[in-house]
Amino acid sequence: SQKIEQNSEALNIQEGKTATLTCNYTNYSPAYLQWYRQDPGRGPVFLLLIRENEKEKRKERLKVTFDTTLKQSLFHITASQPADSATYLCALDNSGYALNFGKGTSLLVTP
Amino acid sequence: DSGVTQTPKHLITATGQRVTLRCSPRSGDLSVYWYQQSLDQGLQFLIQYYNGEERAKGNILERFSAQQFPDLHSELNLSSLELGDSALYFCASSPRVGEQYFGPGTRLTVT
Repeated sequence: SQKIEQNSEALNIQEGKTATLTCNYTNYSPAYLQWYRQDPGRGPVFLLLIRENEKEKRKERLKVTFDTTLKQSLFHITASQPADSATYLCALDNSGYALNFGKGTSLLVTP
Repeated sequence: DSGVTQTPKHLITATGQRVTLRCSPRSGDLSVYWYQQSLDQGLQFLIQYYNGEERAKGNILERFSAQQFPDLHSELNLSSLELGDSALYFCASSPRVGEQYFGPGTRLTVT
């Protein structure tokens, strides 16, 4: 069956460091992969999309890598700030239509 | 603010009842998606509509149904409610395959 796995343990890091979150998947051949941010009680917010033929994508302090051989994406936040504290969700396209989401990894950035 | 609106924000109802959740997509977006988020299951895709027609179905129970109207707003109907239906229900709209913009959600509590 299809699975999207994100580290269920919260990631605690110090302000200014780089946070790295992992998304692994099985039984998918996604055309693209996305990362979303979700704050408690609010809807997910789209951050980045990376296509299957792209290895890396950057947006400001965010960087995403996509390795279709390893079936893995890494999401990096450089120079992290307390305001980056949230849950980060990885999502894969489902035959080009809706998205299947991982359960997310909670990030806590402390001053 | 994503531009997607959902009403009501909160809904408390009893088992066996029926409720309707409403979503207005961003201006110009033809696709509407419905998702359910519970603590143990994460964000689960329910159903997608595109310009009034059902496009894809996910893990939607037979007790649930949806429709998209000519003005592109969508409604999700939940009937014969059970305690396990308590969750956050999100609507998302999409300008193109890939990006999805989520509304603030409706928190449903079934007692």
